[in-house]
Amino acid sequence: GQQLNQSPQSMFIQEGEDVSMNCTSSSIFNTWLWYKQDPGEGPVLLIALYKAGELTSNGRLTAQFGITRKDSFLNISASIPSDVGIYFCAGSSLSGTYKYIFGTGTRLKVLA
Amino acid sequence: DAMVIQNPRYQVTQFGKPVTLSCSQTLNHNVMYWYQQKSSQAPKLLFHYYDKDFNNEADTPDNFQSRRPNTSFCFLDIRSPGLGDAAMYLCATSITLGGDGYTFGSGTRLTVV
Repeated sequence: GQQLNQSPQSMFIQEGEDVSMNCTSSSIFNTWLWYKQDPGEGPVLLIALYKAGELTSNGRLTAQFGITRKDSFLNISASIPSDVGIYFCAGSSLSGTYKYIFGTGTRLKVLA
Repeated sequence: DAMVIQNPRYQVTQFGKPVTLSCSQTLNHNVMYWYQQKSSQAPKLLFHYYDKDFNNEADTPDNFQSRRPNTSFCFLDIRSPGLGDAAMYLCATSITLGGDGYTFGSGTRLTVV
């Protein structure tokens, strides 16, 4: 079945640094979503991507829909302590299924 | 604000004792989902309702059931919780199947003792 692999699994960074993470799929997706989950809370949608090559920003966050349709990238610029949390990608395939498959998550820790 | 509300935030239940988790939404979304999320893992879809139509995932244990009495409410019933059912349970909604992604509630963390 389809799987989404996120990389890195976790990362420690210094406040002010830029962060990059990615999500890869074994099959083609037609929608990519990026969520952030704070400890003890539900995931919150950050960015949605609908077209191959699409680049979308939300404040300091920028996400891209890979041109192969099998990957997506999330960048956070000038990280701050409140960026700490788990970032999940989610993808929906061209098969017409409603299902969003979630990635394994990237746990981000920001050192002040 | 329109939102997805889950109650309670924390639930402790005894091994084998039925438990019900609730979710309500003010978004008037057609679809409501239940996810199970174990520590440091991705959310795993259990089932969803599109209006009144129930759709169970193939690998969801029979121990898990759901009810949606109206558009606003959806319940997750665990008939005989085992220790392995301890997890965060997330409710989510969407306007249509898939679409612009899901709006999640804050989750209910279930502990089984």
